[in-house]
Amino acid sequence: NAGVMQNPRHLVRRRGQEARLRCSPMKGHSHVYWYRQLPEEGLKFMVYLQKENIIDESGMPKERFSAEFPKEGPSILRIQQVVRGDSAAYFCASSPGLAKWNEQFFGPGTRLTVL
Amino acid sequence: AQTVTQSQPEMSVQEAETVTLSCTYDTSESDYYLFWYKQPPSRQMILVIRQEAYKQQNATENRFSVNFQKAAKSFSLKISDSQLGDAAMYFCAYRSRTGNQFYFGTGTSLTVIP
Repeated sequence: NAGVMQNPRHLVRRRGQEARLRCSPMKGHSHVYWYRQLPEEGLKFMVYLQKENIIDESGMPKERFSAEFPKEGPSILRIQQVVRGDSAAYFCASSPGLAKWNEQFFGPGTRLTVL
Repeated sequence: AQTVTQSQPEMSVQEAETVTLSCTYDTSESDYYLFWYKQPPSRQMILVIRQEAYKQQNATENRFSVNFQKAAKSFSLKISDSQLGDAAMYFCAYRSRTGNQFYFGTGTSLTVIP
């Protein structure tokens, strides 16, 4: 059973470009979470999605950031018109949603660098 | 909002010795979960150990154990017989039973000295 997959692992964008980060959850998991880790900090929650639905986006910046988890395919975190402050590691986690612990299994992360 | 505090940015331990990493948290809830994650240089987040708040007994996983003090809202991680492969960032995390998100501390960087 493959773990949570994220790609690309490293992404370089110039200011003003768009960044698309992809996350494929573990097989059988229908819940996806996105976190951001700024340098020297812990992970900060951004958004929680189930298939075709955004459940909790309380951690998402109000502008330029969006997320989706379509019926088919990976979850996408999209950052429009990137700025230097968006440089960070972005982690995706998935869970089956119904297990006692609702434990989240993390992907390896995507490191975004904005030049 | 829940907060998780790790007051030790850096710790070091001699190989084969024991080290304890501290974590405190703030919550008004009575039912929740606590976790310790390890993040090696590869940046992969690896679950080390977890604890249910309503269980008095401290969780143990091989060389890793916790000291959970619910009244004090403290959740420390003890690593026994430290190995070079234990060197990493360690994050303490909180999740309420009904919540969707994890709340992470800022991490403790552990160095293991040969």
